[in-house]
Amino acid sequence: GENVEQHPSTLSVQEGDSAVIKCTYSDSASNYFPWYKQELGKRPQLIIDIRSNVGEKKDQRIAVTLNKTAKHFSLHITETQPEDSAVYFCAASTTPYVGRNYGQNFVFGPGTRLSVLP
Amino acid sequence: DAEITQSPRHKITETGRQVTLACHQTWNHNNMFWYRQDLGHGLRLIHYSYGVQDTNKGEVSDGYSVSRSNTEDLPLTLESAASSQTSVYFCASSEKDGGTDTQYFGPGTRLTVL
Repeated sequence: GENVEQHPSTLSVQEGDSAVIKCTYSDSASNYFPWYKQELGKRPQLIIDIRSNVGEKKDQRIAVTLNKTAKHFSLHITETQPEDSAVYFCAASTTPYVGRNYGQNFVFGPGTRLSVLP
Repeated sequence: DAEITQSPRHKITETGRQVTLACHQTWNHNNMFWYRQDLGHGLRLIHYSYGVQDTNKGEVSDGYSVSRSNTEDLPLTLESAASSQTSVYFCASSEKDGGTDTQYFGPGTRLTVL
């Protein structure tokens, strides 16, 4: 089955610097790669995602890149702010066809705790 | 607005009791999931369902069961609660049709087994 690794497990950066979190996956059938941010005591919230037919996607200070050949994808946060401090999870998803619908099989990385120091 | 809710938000129970956690979504999503989250383990899949009457085991399904009698609900039952099942439980739903893939999470249920 799919295996998703995520590095680093913890990351501290100075406010205004950039942060990069990397994930690798094992199943070449994975075709959807979301990133979630989870603040303390809250639910995971989707912040950006990318599909396998796209190499890069950007949304303001956040970007995700995907290298299908190497089976890795990365989250880039520029101009970090204290409110970016949280745990970030990557995931890889396949879409098995089940009955009359497409199911989704999400496998999550173990998470990265990002601390942005003022 | 469409949403996904969980109840109760907090639950304290005793070892050996049966506990059911509710999950309800109003997006009409076919796919629903239950995860548990413990410190140092991220999100671990317990059970999932791809539609009514469909249920499947995830990586940590021992001691848990689910049923899917309608599209909106996927209750999670702990048959005989154990202290090792103390955790935060998240329900989620998603839909592939229509070009969307996003998985939405409920607010979570914090379960303590004494």
